[in-house]
Amino acid sequence: NAGVTQTPKFRVLKTGQSMTLLCAQDMNHEYMYWYRQDPGMGLRLIHYSVGEGTTAKGEVPDGYNVSRLKKQNFLLGLESAAPSQTSVYFCASSYSPWREQYFGPGTRLTVT
Amino acid sequence: KQEVTQIPAALSVPEGENLVLNCSFTDSAIYNLQWFRQDPGKGLTSLLLIQSSQREQTSGRLNASLDKSSGRSTLYIAASQPGDSATYLCAVNTGANSKLTFGKGITLSVRP
Repeated sequence: NAGVTQTPKFRVLKTGQSMTLLCAQDMNHEYMYWYRQDPGMGLRLIHYSVGEGTTAKGEVPDGYNVSRLKKQNFLLGLESAAPSQTSVYFCASSYSPWREQYFGPGTRLTVT
Repeated sequence: KQEVTQIPAALSVPEGENLVLNCSFTDSAIYNLQWFRQDPGKGLTSLLLIQSSQREQTSGRLNASLDKSSGRSTLYIAASQPGDSATYLCAVNTGANSKLTFGKGITLSVRP
């Protein structure tokens, strides 16, 4: 099992450009999450999904959109990138609220 | 709103020392608490998960305890090794949607 994978690993964008981050899991988990990690701020939840076809806002959702068309994939989109979105993005998944969350390796995004 | 605190932010110990990492949270109505390890530039690795009904969990040289009523958890590392050097994060799950609230982590350095 690959666990949780994220594509791409690194990306540099110019302000105003758009991109999509892909998260995939092969553990048949229902729950999937997108976090961002910033120095001094810790990890913060952006959006999450409790099952295929569902999405919900987390703590810092502004400027991001998500989609969960297939159970195994959770996409994070930036429609118009801003320098404030420079961060490391982590995807995670879990089977249920009572089980561990498993994290991907992260995507390092720089917006210039 | 749940807040998770980890103090101190950094810790340096000599090899072989037994050590305790602390985590405190403000809302005792939790589902579970998870301890993670993060190496520089890497993703998060789950170490231990403690359910709200449990008092402790053990894995090898690691032991995590939970005192829900006082809003505290500790991660005990026995006979520390240089390979234990990393950032340790605790995260609390307070909702049915399994959203985690993270502390900012403790960066541990074990000196040979």
